[in-house]
Amino acid sequence: QVQLQESGPGLVKPSETLSLSCTVSGGSISPYYWTWIRQPPAGGLEWIGYISNSGSTNYNPSLKSRVTVSVDRSKNQFFLKLTSVTAADTAFYYCARLVVVAGECDWFGPWGQGTLVTVSS
Amino acid sequence: DIQMTQSPSSLSASVGDRVTIACRTSQSIHNSLNWYQQKPGKAPMLLVSGASSLQSGVPSRFSGSGFGTDFTLIISSLHPEDFATYYCQQSYSLPYTFGQGTKLEIK
Repeated sequence: QVQLQESGPGLVKPSETLSLSCTVSGGSISPYYWTWIRQPPAGGLEWIGYISNSGSTNYNPSLKSRVTVSVDRSKNQFFLKLTSVTAADTAFYYCARLVVVAGECDWFGPWGQGTLVTVSS
Repeated sequence: DIQMTQSPSSLSASVGDRVTIACRTSQSIHNSLNWYQQKPGKAPMLLVSGASSLQSGVPSRFSGSGFGTDFTLIISSLHPEDFATYYCQQSYSLPYTFGQGTKLEIK
């Protein structure tokens, strides 16, 4: 079964760039959409963006100017970059598969375990 | 963006109780509504997609219903492992949005 694992620095300084990787195991990354979702400690869930199986991307307008999602199919990995971070970007960051089927409801699953990124000097 | 409002925000219940969690959206989303369960320190897990389709492996005590702007997740008889936070999420239009969560606690 497909499993996802996030990796990257747990501490980022304000104004710098947050960079995370998600490694997909147990299946090929190619046929699917892949997405990032974040959750502030003790907070709710916010969708960040996705990359499709064709390489197109779509981002939450609230973050669009600062976000890039990319993929390396040869390594079965996808990535998140978030620029100019502030304390408000402190959160658990989850990678997940986005299941998109024509005529049906898109859904997220499975998810990685999540990684806490703290923005602080 | 489509706004999602869950009620209640928190709920105390006992093992064996029937529990209902509601989710209301700011505009019609047809049946493009998912429910997730999140336990402390874990990632959310999909329970129900398309408002009423139970995911494989999810116990039949969970059920979802609704269409348009009003949706419901019902747990027919609470088990100890069901105490968690539940989120609704809409996939009708981008950006995908989530409800604020309903924390289900043991009474």
